[in-house]
Amino acid sequence: DAKTTQPTSMDCAEGRAANLPCNHSTISGNEYVYWYRQIHSQGPQYIIHGLKNNETNEMASLIITEDRKSSTLILPHATLRDTAVYYCIVRVDPRGNKLVFGAGTILRVKS
Amino acid sequence: AAGVIQSPRHLIKEKRETATLKCYPIPRHDTVYWYQQGPGQDPQFLISFYEKMQSDKGSIPDRFSAQQFSDYHSELNMSSLELGDSALYFCASSFFYRGKNTGELFFGEGSRLTVL
Repeated sequence: DAKTTQPTSMDCAEGRAANLPCNHSTISGNEYVYWYRQIHSQGPQYIIHGLKNNETNEMASLIITEDRKSSTLILPHATLRDTAVYYCIVRVDPRGNKLVFGAGTILRVKS
Repeated sequence: AAGVIQSPRHLIKEKRETATLKCYPIPRHDTVYWYQQGPGQDPQFLISFYEKMQSDKGSIPDRFSAQQFSDYHSELNMSSLELGDSALYFCASSFFYRGKNTGELFFGEGSRLTVL
């Protein structure tokens, strides 16, 4: 699976959009981009995933560049409860395959 | 909705003792994964099972073993415990079939093992 690079930490004001970048320059054509987050000591939680196109769900939006070498997770209106470690994971064929967690981004949402 | 159930939530053991962690996947999920997360570290994949057969293996010590039973629940057995085994152990489950499948792993709340 392709290696990803994320900022170590980011701060965001409550109510503002949080934009979390991820570089995956060695991604292959059949690899998906997944985002998970882990709120302190809880089990990781799925946020969103995509292959080529931008995706949106009730939690977030995922913007993938045309060359697929980077992506951005957008939390449109961050709340204090969004403070967590966010993991960007690149993964071949999601069915039945493990997730490999690298170093994620600590997002701190501040009031 | 039913979630992944792990037990016990907390466990304290002495060095060289054994411990068993249990995981009950979401109903109809056929794949179970085990992860270990040490203090200040990211979750590390240990092992996974699909339809009761080991499907993948990560950095699981030889002192650890796991299996998935006919009812799809899984157990992680840890022997000759060491101080470094103190960690959060997460179980996750997913289902594997062709068709609409997000490939999402659903994680439990974790079992915190402390080795003294």
